[in-house]
Amino acid sequence: AQSVTQPDIHITVSEGASLELRCNYSYGATPYLFWYVQSPGQGLQLLLKYFSGDTLVQGIKGFEAEFKRSQSSFNLRKPSVHWSDAAEYFCAVGARMGGTSYGKLTFGQGTILTVHP
Amino acid sequence: DTEVTQTPKHLVMGMTNKKSLKCEQHMGHRAMYWYKQKAKKPPELMFVYSYEKLSINESVPSRFSPECPNSSLLNLHLHALQPEDSALYLCASSQVYPGRVEQYFGPGTRLTVT
Repeated sequence: AQSVTQPDIHITVSEGASLELRCNYSYGATPYLFWYVQSPGQGLQLLLKYFSGDTLVQGIKGFEAEFKRSQSSFNLRKPSVHWSDAAEYFCAVGARMGGTSYGKLTFGQGTILTVHP
Repeated sequence: DTEVTQTPKHLVMGMTNKKSLKCEQHMGHRAMYWYKQKAKKPPELMFVYSYEKLSINESVPSRFSPECPNSSLLNLHLHALQPEDSALYLCASSQVYPGRVEQYFGPGTRLTVT
């Protein structure tokens, strides 16, 4: 069964500082990996995704993530954080259900990002 | 356009009420999902519809009844809910092509059961 671990429940950074959010996954095959962001009381917005190919993927809002198969990791990075990045971030691994036409996402527990001015 | 819309935004209902949540997408996605999310927790999958047919029911109590009237619309009918059912209910949709399992989420309905 697939699983996702986000080791950091809460991270605080200063505005303008760099950011790295950690994500480790467990999955038997090549995973589909995602990062979502959720502002308070809102839905989840897809930041970026990895399916195959280049292991460094670019997303929206200046975020990027690197897939490292040897470490089973998919860490999210941003070189300079803005106050508007304060939110909760979820890493997820996706699996297509056999020969079916839908996928199933397994989420990590989330990391809350606080940004200090 | 990757928009999923949900109505209402907020809902307060008593334990004897019947209400419905609505979700709509016009991206041509043929898989649609209902999730329940409690505070400080990740979303929990409730139901999956694929080509308007129920494909997954994650052992959800019968007081939650999903419906998919057409390929763009997904409803969640609520009846005799409990206070512990108060949560953010999220709808999502995805394409059905191989390699395209990413899901696009709506803004959610904040449900309070009194």
